[in-house]
Amino acid sequence: EAGVVQSPRYKIIEKKQPVAFWCNPISGHNTLYWYRQNLGQGPELLIRYENEEAVDDSQLPKDRFSAERLKGVDSTLKIQPAELGDSAVYLCASSSTWWARNPSEAFFGQGTRLTVV
Amino acid sequence: SQQGEEDPQALSIQEGENATMNCSYKTSINNLQWYRQNSGRGLVHLILIRSNEREKHSGRLRVTLDTSKKSSSLLITASRAADTASYFCATDAGANSKLTFGKGITLSVRP
Repeated sequence: EAGVVQSPRYKIIEKKQPVAFWCNPISGHNTLYWYRQNLGQGPELLIRYENEEAVDDSQLPKDRFSAERLKGVDSTLKIQPAELGDSAVYLCASSSTWWARNPSEAFFGQGTRLTVV
Repeated sequence: SQQGEEDPQALSIQEGENATMNCSYKTSINNLQWYRQNSGRGLVHLILIRSNEREKHSGRLRVTLDTSKKSSSLLITASRAADTASYFCATDAGANSKLTFGKGITLSVRP
């Protein structure tokens, strides 16, 4: 079974330009996460979906970041316009349930390394 | 914000030795998970321990959880060069089960 697939793997853009990342979670996983990981740091949650509903987007900078999960499967994360400080690795993860009584591990994609110049 | 704080930040050991990594957290949790990340790759889940469990084993991994001290430890026995990676603890807390990661520990295992 394929794991979480992200594209592109690498992206270099000039500041003020838009950029989009795509994620295909593991089939059947209803929970999808977008994390941002800066160099030498742990992943920080940007947004979490349960099916097509964004249930936690408190850490998403909504002035420039947006995300969607069409039909509760694939997801895209967009930044417009990008700033120098957005350079980081953007990780997508999925899990079968977030329910506290039946915890599940999160499966991560390889990530997209964004460089804003 | 990052709830989990790993300790030490970096650890260098000889192949065959045991590696012990610690994680402290601030709020009540549903479960605690450990992940490994090789350079330039995504995170890989290692082990999950629920809040009502005290110890769990998986192969060469042993994880403990002390909810009274809000801390966990990950022990890797008989380390191998291939264990060289960054290790993160992640807490699953609150009604919404938000998975929050620490800053990570860099483990180097010398051949």
